[in-house]
Amino acid sequence: LAKTTQPISMDSYEGQEVNITCSHNNIATNDYITWYQQFPSQGPRFIIQGYKTKVTNEVASLFIPADRKSSTLSLPRVSLSDTAVYYCLVGADLNQGGKLIFGQGTELSVKP
Amino acid sequence: GAVVSQHPSWVICKSGTSVKIECRSLDFQATTMFWYRQFPKQSLMLMATSNEGSKATYEQGVEKDKFLINHASLTLSTLTVTSAHPEDSSFYICSARSPRTRLMDTEAFFGQGTRLTVV
Repeated sequence: LAKTTQPISMDSYEGQEVNITCSHNNIATNDYITWYQQFPSQGPRFIIQGYKTKVTNEVASLFIPADRKSSTLSLPRVSLSDTAVYYCLVGADLNQGGKLIFGQGTELSVKP
Repeated sequence: GAVVSQHPSWVICKSGTSVKIECRSLDFQATTMFWYRQFPKQSLMLMATSNEGSKATYEQGVEKDKFLINHASLTLSTLTVTSAHPEDSSFYICSARSPRTRLMDTEAFFGQGTRLTVV
């Protein structure tokens, strides 16, 4: 399973765009990149998933360069409620017996 | 999206007793569920993979006789912490694979977690 590296923490202010970058130098050809969000004392929640280039949904965008050795989660105009831990995961095709292995995550703190 | 529910949300038990935590997929069938443990300020640690109708697969270092997992149906998996000790106090979370059928699937849905305190 590819190892991921993220900043341990980030600070931001309400209304700003936040970009969290994750490094995954050993990503395999079949690996997807998935981001989860976790609030204190809750289970993680799926945010977005991608394989290459750019993916956008109603809450975030995911940018993946051509070499796929990193990815960037972009949260537009964050609010206080976006304060959480964000996890980047790589690989784990759950249909083929894969597993979701969590790295350290990035603790995002949004201030007024 | 799909819903995974855990029960109880929190539990306090005496040292030496056993505690059962339930994980249910409410609106889909889950042949595979996963159990995690999370200590304060730490990431989720995968404990085991629960397969319906067969034995669970435990991660290295996880005692299978202490953390009993049963996946008796496609919608229910249970984790029993046997002879609990204070060091077993933690946040336990289950998850189930999304029922989507696309070729590559790495999305899972997580329960709300169970806070276990052993006194």
